[in-house]
Amino acid sequence: KAGVTQTPRYLIKTRGQQVTLSCSPISGHRSVSWYQQTPGQGLQFLFEYFSETQRNKGNFPGRFSGRQFSNSRSEMNVSTLELGDSALYLCASSRTSGRGQETQYFGPGTRLLVL
Amino acid sequence: DAKTTQPNSMESNEEEPVHLPCNHSTISGTDYIHWYRQLPSQGPEYVIHGLTSNVNNRMASLAIAEDRKSSTLILHRATLRDAAVYYCILKFGGTSYGKLTFGQGTILTVHP
Repeated sequence: KAGVTQTPRYLIKTRGQQVTLSCSPISGHRSVSWYQQTPGQGLQFLFEYFSETQRNKGNFPGRFSGRQFSNSRSEMNVSTLELGDSALYLCASSRTSGRGQETQYFGPGTRLLVL
Repeated sequence: DAKTTQPNSMESNEEEPVHLPCNHSTISGTDYIHWYRQLPSQGPEYVIHGLTSNVNNRMASLAIAEDRKSSTLILHRATLRDAAVYYCILKFGGTSYGKLTFGQGTILTVHP
């Protein structure tokens, strides 16, 4: 079974631009979560989607948004990029809505550099 | 979210056992204890999880204290491939809607 895939793997943008990252979950998984990883803040939860609905959101500004499609694929968008948005963006999938005993499967991440 | 405390770093020699501790004194009765690890240049990967009883799988063992305020991840024979950052995470037993709260984790170095 194929794992979680993320595209693109690397991205360079300039301040003020916007960016869209894509995530394809493991087949049969309906929950997709997004995380940001930086050296200073570590891994931080952005949001989670299940059946095309955002069910949970972390403490990030409104410039960070996402959506999920009917095939469970998900995209996240960052508008008006800032230098501090440079990070590794990770996507994780799980079967359902993330109950306590459920595990998440992470993709390799998209490394975004904002110049 | 309940907080976990882990040592910043640990070292081990190849083929020796490794015990990675985690303190979670504010754990609630419904919190599951999860361990993930992140190898260099990769996304985190699931290692093991448990609620009250000790758990074993092909990757590791999880020993949970009787009062559940601490746990230990045990790698029985460390290999160079086990060098990674190990995260101990508490996950609410109800519907947590995907959120994993990562701490700083423990950087494990394995010497040949």
